[in-house]
Amino acid sequence: SQTIHQWPATLVQPVGSPLSLECTVEGTSNPNLYWYRQAAGRGLQLLFYSVGIGQISSEVPQNLSASRPQDRQFILSSKKLLLSDSGFYLCAWSPAGKGWEKLFFGSGTQLSVL
Amino acid sequence: AQSVTQPDIHITVSEGASLELRCNYSYGATPYLFWYVQSPGQGLQLLLKYFSGDTLVQGIKGFEAEFKRSQSSFNLRKPSVHWSDAAEYFCALYSGAGSYQLTFGKGTKLSVIP
Repeated sequence: SQTIHQWPATLVQPVGSPLSLECTVEGTSNPNLYWYRQAAGRGLQLLFYSVGIGQISSEVPQNLSASRPQDRQFILSSKKLLLSDSGFYLCAWSPAGKGWEKLFFGSGTQLSVL
Repeated sequence: AQSVTQPDIHITVSEGASLELRCNYSYGATPYLFWYVQSPGQGLQLLLKYFSGDTLVQGIKGFEAEFKRSQSSFNLRKPSVHWSDAAEYFCALYSGAGSYQLTFGKGTKLSVIP
């Protein structure tokens, strides 16, 4: 069966520090991968998605970037965190081809930027 | 552009009572509609989805939802709520056309009192 791992679960970082959140998927090949951000009272916002290694699409211009160095690995990064980057970050995957039919979410990372 | 509105930010029901969570959408054609549930500090899990056909769809955990085109609604229902149903519920829409973007509502938090 397929599983998705996301870490760390919680992270407290000072303003201006770098960020690296990692997500890996097991049990499937060539998944579509996504990074969502969930801010309080604002629902889920798609930040990035990837349909293959090295292929990244950005939905929202911001202080963050994403990379997919391996088929089942998706990384969210920032060189310098802002206060507004605080939130709950969710990685998700879906089967290739019909990515919208069902998303499988990781357990999330609560990021607090102080 | 499409949008999803969940009018109720927070709902409290007694255990054993019936539940209806409202979802209204704005989209020019028939959308694909979803309900996801998020337990505290966790990722989202798909409850059910509507693509076409029967407008009453059954999901996991005893939930059902009814698509009403005339009202642009996709309300989630459960006849008898259990304490374990306490969570946040998100309605989402997919418009098609090859996009990977799901549009999520802002969520409804459900509290269950014994």
